[in-house]
Amino acid sequence: KAGVTQTPRYLIKTRGQQVTLSCSPISGHRSVSWYQQTPGQGLQFLFEYFSETQRNKGNFPGRFSGRQFSNSRSEMNVSTLELGDSALYLCASSPGPASTDTQYFGPGTRLTVL
Amino acid sequence: SQKIEQNSEALNIQEGKTATLTCNYTNYSPAYLQWYRQDPGRGPVFLLLIRENEKEKRKERLKVTFDTTLKQSLFHITASQPADSATYLCALDANNAGNMLTFGGGTRLMVKP
Repeated sequence: KAGVTQTPRYLIKTRGQQVTLSCSPISGHRSVSWYQQTPGQGLQFLFEYFSETQRNKGNFPGRFSGRQFSNSRSEMNVSTLELGDSALYLCASSPGPASTDTQYFGPGTRLTVL
Repeated sequence: SQKIEQNSEALNIQEGKTATLTCNYTNYSPAYLQWYRQDPGRGPVFLLLIRENEKEKRKERLKVTFDTTLKQSLFHITASQPADSATYLCALDANNAGNMLTFGGGTRLMVKP
């Protein structure tokens, strides 16, 4: 099976712009979670989607949003970019929402905000 | 406040020795705890999951223990190899509701030949 794919892999934006990142989960997986990773804060949970519904949301401002499509693919959007949004954005998929499901991470999208 | 703490300093050990990494948590009651490996520029890779009613879990050269009284998990790599050099992250189910993993800051392991 193909792994989790994320596009684009690298992105450079300027402050005030918005960005959309895409994640394709492993075939058959219905849950997609998004994380932000920075050197200072480490890996932080953004949100989780299961069957097109947001199940959990982390402590991030409303500028961060996401959605999941009927084929389980997911997108996250960040509006009005700030310098502090520069980070590696990771997507992870799992078969279901059960708390003991292993999460499979993608390679991430490296976002740089200038 | 809730915290998950891993030793932020790099752990340097000699090839062939056992590496032991620590994960401590406060103000959580996780149903399970997971360990991941992350190489530079790549996403984390799942290694092991241990449930609250399990004391120990093994997989090849890896062993994880989980002490809910001490609120601590230990991660051991026996007969370590230079290829084991990476950052190791512990994560736990923050709200017992699903895939909301909260991660520790990770410990970088360096295995020298």
